[in-house]
Amino acid sequence: ETGVTQTPRHLVMGMTNKKSLKCEQHLGHNAMYWYKQSAKKPLELMFVYSLEERVENNSVPSRFSPECPNSSHLFLHLHTLQPEDSALYLCASSQGASGETDTQYFGPGTRLTVL
Amino acid sequence: KQEVTQIPAALSVPEGENLVLNCSFTDSAIYNLQWFRQDPGKGLTSLLLIQSSQREQTSGRLNASLDKSSGRSTLYIAASQPGDSATYLCAVKRKGNFNKFYFGSGTKLNVKP
Repeated sequence: ETGVTQTPRHLVMGMTNKKSLKCEQHLGHNAMYWYKQSAKKPLELMFVYSLEERVENNSVPSRFSPECPNSSHLFLHLHTLQPEDSALYLCASSQGASGETDTQYFGPGTRLTVL
Repeated sequence: KQEVTQIPAALSVPEGENLVLNCSFTDSAIYNLQWFRQDPGKGLTSLLLIQSSQREQTSGRLNASLDKSSGRSTLYIAASQPGDSATYLCAVKRKGNFNKFYFGSGTKLNVKP
């Protein structure tokens, strides 16, 4: 499989549940990203990992916990979420280089609904 | 702080029309600017990437220009088709933090048959 994949594609969870989102990239990239996309809002960058080290954390609540075990896999662990956390969660990867040609490749997203 | 603005927020045009989408950014210290397409409930697909040293890029019916000094980019779509209906987002990669991309809110395009 090529590109960036995300599982599951859809997730419904209660506020007391614990679940995880998974992202996998097959592009040999060094950087991976989690974004949140809510209705009528710009993409919100949540976390950035470069070479498996977290380099950016945009003041995300602790109920979201990222994990990057290797450069190909990225997880987002969810616990005690709120209904306002319902959104499309997008994963992306890039080479992570400083050059002008670096671009992001996105997965299809996980549509999360918190009841 | 880099801010990216896209105008208009929504656009509805009849099929066959040529159209222009606008993107502006506040900090001209960028590595590149990219235009993406997003279909409802889906991920983003890259359309065009313009490096900071370039002025424009073309792919098929799409042409994107970049004026770094004024902080503006335009995406020109020629002979629009119903299949072009989607949300179009622009993003800049800012110098100084090469792992961060700044996105606009997007322009939602509807091309009517």
